Amino acid sequence: DVKVTQSSRYLVKRTGEKVFLECVQDMDHENMFWYRQDPGLGLRLIYFSYDVKMKEKGDIPEGYSVSREKKERFSLILESASTNQTSMYLCASSPPLGGGGGPQHFGDGTRLSIL
Amino acid sequence: AQTVTQSQPEMSVQEAETVTLSCTYDTSESDYYLFWYKQPPSRQMILVIRQEAYKQQNATENRFSVNFQKAAKSFSLKISDSQLGDAAMYFCAYRSAMGAQKLVFGQGTRLTINP
Repeated sequence: DVKVTQSSRYLVKRTGEKVFLECVQDMDHENMFWYRQDPGLGLRLIYFSYDVKMKEKGDIPEGYSVSREKKERFSLILESASTNQTSMYLCASSPPLGGGGGPQHFGDGTRLSIL
Repeated sequence: AQTVTQSQPEMSVQEAETVTLSCTYDTSESDYYLFWYKQPPSRQMILVIRQEAYKQQNATENRFSVNFQKAAKSFSLKISDSQLGDAAMYFCAYRSAMGAQKLVFGQGTRLTINP
């Protein structure tokens, strides 16, 4: 089974702090994603990566950055946390398109509160 | 840009009955994938069912089946013989068959199973 592990299940930070959310997958997937989940809005894509050191902006990248130094690890960075970034953050991974349209596999999510 | 709409924020059904969750989408592409994901209170996003747009036959997975109407851009999920364990948020999602493999999600439908 594919395992996507997010480093924290709950996290509380203060406004202005630099926040790191870590995600590790064990299936050697090329693609990794960070989503934000808010009630009534579903999941929205923040950033994704299709290879080491490669990144692409999603639909809501403002206030976030990412890092992918190793294939199995994809980090989401809140440069200066603000209260409107309080949310659930979900990481996902998937094989490339050549894998037959493989679905994305998700981590358990990090519920982040910014005070 | 593609959009996905789930017009039912909440649904409820009696245990053992059948329920249908609605999903519509908008795209100009002809080849794509559609998914239904389930998110129980444990927060783990679980793939329920997948449909490839070029296949006319509706996908089925045990008690879960879809009604895929490509011309109408409709992708509903039918759950037969509802069980208490089916209670969850259900998300409809779209993914292009080419280019970036990001998922576009609907707003979600919260399904309650009444014993």
